[in-house]
Amino acid sequence: KQEVTQIPAALSVPEGENLVLNCSFTDSAIYNLQWFRQDPGKGLTSLLLIQSSQREQTSGRLNASLDKSSGRSTLYIAASQPGDSATYLCAVTARDDKIIFGKGTRLHILP
Amino acid sequence: NAGVTQTPKFRVLKTGQSMTLLCAQDMNHEYMYWYRQDPGMGLRLIHYSVGEGTTAKGEVPDGYNVSRLKKQNFLLGLESAAPSQTSVYFCASSQWDLTYNEQFFGPGTRLTVL
Repeated sequence: KQEVTQIPAALSVPEGENLVLNCSFTDSAIYNLQWFRQDPGKGLTSLLLIQSSQREQTSGRLNASLDKSSGRSTLYIAASQPGDSATYLCAVTARDDKIIFGKGTRLHILP
Repeated sequence: NAGVTQTPKFRVLKTGQSMTLLCAQDMNHEYMYWYRQDPGMGLRLIHYSVGEGTTAKGEVPDGYNVSRLKKQNFLLGLESAAPSQTSVYFCASSQWDLTYNEQFFGPGTRLTVL
């Protein structure tokens, strides 16, 4: 059974720092991995999607990498800003069409 | 282009009452999903649909029913609500392409069952 883990559950960093969020999954047979952002009381916003054949995707200050063999993905945020404060979730699409989410990392950027 | 919309935004039910949550998308997506999000449990898939007229069970389907009579709509029904169904419910949709099925989410419905 596919399981997705995100560590740490919460993270606080000073504004301006670069940071890395981690996501691990137990079964490497995935179609893709997606990173989302969720603001309090809101829905999820898609940030980046990495197909299983890809190693990384970039969008602005965000860079996501995927290492299927080790079951790991990272989301790199450069030059963090207070507006980056949110919960970040990763999700994998497994070979049985199911989409499995991690429980998220709650990020707080200190002004 | 409204994306994914959900109705209602909030609802309070008494145990045993029934209700239907409506999800609508205007992106012509084939796949639609219903999730529930609970503190400490993350997002869990309830039911999903891979096209008009189809439905399939997700991780936590018990106590819920769904219907996809029209491609743009996906309905989630609670026949006899229980306090354990208090949660935030999210609908999502995606293109029919498993290698690139970027999911788009609605704003959520906050349901409380007393």
